[in-house]
Amino acid sequence: DTAVSQTPKYLVTQMGNDKSIKCEQNLGHDTMYWYKQDSKKFLKIMFSYNNKELIINETVPNRFSPKSPDKAHLNLHINSLELGDSAVYFCASSRGPGVVYGYTFGSGTRLTVV
Amino acid sequence: QKEVEQDPGPLSVPEGAIVSLNCTYSNSAFQYFMWYRQYSRKGPELLMYTYSSGNKEDGRFTAQVDKSSKYISLFIRDSQPSDSATYLCAMSEGYGGSQGNLIFGKGTKLSVKP
Repeated sequence: DTAVSQTPKYLVTQMGNDKSIKCEQNLGHDTMYWYKQDSKKFLKIMFSYNNKELIINETVPNRFSPKSPDKAHLNLHINSLELGDSAVYFCASSRGPGVVYGYTFGSGTRLTVV
Repeated sequence: QKEVEQDPGPLSVPEGAIVSLNCTYSNSAFQYFMWYRQYSRKGPELLMYTYSSGNKEDGRFTAQVDKSSKYISLFIRDSQPSDSATYLCAMSEGYGGSQGNLIFGKGTKLSVKP
């Protein structure tokens, strides 16, 4: 049973397209996150939701829009994809919004924009 | 992203060696320190968590934090080939909300040869 599952695992798309990445967790966690790992391997937070409410929204282009239909799901929609959006996107969850709980990460979605 | 510096390696050691992984940081407000392990094509998983300065031991793993030097370490005793992975340090100023935003190092790639 996968704790945090992301789909798709791989996504290759052309510049200008709109795409979505889905994330689901079956851990009963209250908080979910989107992280971006760029080509230099830095993991950087993009968004955080607690009980479907946005609590962290780092400086990302407004082409990125998260949506949380319920606390087990956090999807990421990206409009007008650019070459620089190519990265691995990780979804994560934790029992609460505190780092001390530790995050459970999904396996990542490798996005390539051509 | 220069707040957290970590030598990316790669670091190659023989099986059974003691491994020392390190991070330095510039933000004196960091209070929570973590080590994550990331296997290839997988998401990071929490290994160790410490609060403020001091040592913490868990099996073959020991985490040390020296806040006066802004330096944290992870030691792995009796290293095994299964320890081969990328190790990321992460830290935050506070427990949750925007202060709980985890700042990750770039990760050190470790290879333990049988």
